[in-house]
Amino acid sequence: GEDVEQSLFLSVREGDSSVINCTYTDSSSTYLYWYKQEPGAGLQLLTYIFSNMDMKQDQRLTVLLNKKDKHLSLRIADTQTGDSAIYFCAGNYNTDKLIFGTGTRLQVFP
Amino acid sequence: SAVISQKPSRDICQRGTSLTIQCQVDSQVTMMFWYRQQPGQSLTLIATANQGSEATYESGFVIDKFPISRPNLTFSTLTVSNMSPEDSSIYLCSVEAPQGAGNEQFFGPGTRLTVL
Repeated sequence: GEDVEQSLFLSVREGDSSVINCTYTDSSSTYLYWYKQEPGAGLQLLTYIFSNMDMKQDQRLTVLLNKKDKHLSLRIADTQTGDSAIYFCAGNYNTDKLIFGTGTRLQVFP
Repeated sequence: SAVISQKPSRDICQRGTSLTIQCQVDSQVTMMFWYRQQPGQSLTLIATANQGSEATYESGFVIDKFPISRPNLTFSTLTVSNMSPEDSSIYLCSVEAPQGAGNEQFFGPGTRLTVL
């Protein structure tokens, strides 16, 4: 089956940039997504990128897609304490269902 | 985006009992899904809830354990049957955005289940 891997933890200082990485084994996904999960909450869709794009920017968020290396990243500029959460990448792999990454816990300290 | 609510938001249940979780959407949607998130883990799809027909289950999940109803285009239920402590998880429903450009899925707030 599809494997979607993320590093478990990332710790950054407030005001710095955060980069959360995701690697996958199946390159057939039409769309790739980034979700945020705050403690005790459901999942919030942050952004997504179409598979024929290399980059998408949305305010403080920048998504980079390297299809050759099967690598997806989410950059958060000017990281704030409110960005502390777990971030999941996900792909739809030519189906309607989502396959989620393992999740990265981002901790922002003052 | 769609607004999704779930009931209950959390529950503590005894082993051997069953719990039915409700998912309500504020607009008609074709695709509804049920996911499980075990403690400290990522999300795993349980099944796709099909309106007017039986749900489509993923490998490792069966109808007897997780019966699903989908009576209309705005509502679905998931039952966790004959519960054991291993069923302690967050259960989330999601819907595919109507006319979404990126086939986006939006999630409900989740139901946090603890089985004693």
